[in-house]
Amino acid sequence: SQQGEEDPQALSIQEGENATMNCSYKTSINNLQWYRQNSGRGLVHLILIRSNEREKHSGRLRVTLDTSKKSSSLLITASRAADTASYFCATDGTSGSRLTFGEGTQLTVNP
Amino acid sequence: DAGITQSPRYKITETGRQVTLMCHQTWSHSYMFWYRQDLGHGLRLIYYSAAADITDKGEVPDGYVVSRSKTENFPLTLESATRSQTSVYFCASLGGQAEAFFGQGTRLTVV
Repeated sequence: SQQGEEDPQALSIQEGENATMNCSYKTSINNLQWYRQNSGRGLVHLILIRSNEREKHSGRLRVTLDTSKKSSSLLITASRAADTASYFCATDGTSGSRLTFGEGTQLTVNP
Repeated sequence: DAGITQSPRYKITETGRQVTLMCHQTWSHSYMFWYRQDLGHGLRLIYYSAAADITDKGEVPDGYVVSRSKTENFPLTLESATRSQTSVYFCASLGGQAEAFFGQGTRLTVV
């Protein structure tokens, strides 16, 4: 079964609003990553947060990690129509570099 | 060109035929992965490889075979294609910061 599960499955917002996506996972991890996938394309790495970190920022992205709850959230601030894509969380587990992905959140940003 | 490339981009094959999907990366990354993505879903790990001549099963390995005689190549073979293997296949390699780099995908249709 998938290690990560995103919530919500789909999110529709207006340009300029913030978008928050959540990810829950089942086993201990070394790090958690977020990826973006535009329709019909491969995944692109956005940000990585290590298990000993609680929050990380990159441009308009903010990621939090709560290892006690086995959950993470991705916040995209001041969203743009170009942010429309699917967003996936991925975890590696502590046994190695095998990346496991969730089902993804489909984000639609309306102009 | 630097990066990770997959070929072919699109393939239609008949049930029972053998099909090989190619993946080539120019970074000499140790880890490489094959995922499948069914319509509207996340990625499921088929096989991965930690180095040349080292491969291991993922979540959904049945019906697939991989090899890795050279670090830069990681072909995926469907021994006898079935309709349930219709999917988009993504190859990825793992960079030094634990981030994955994905190819553009191969859209395979089995008729």
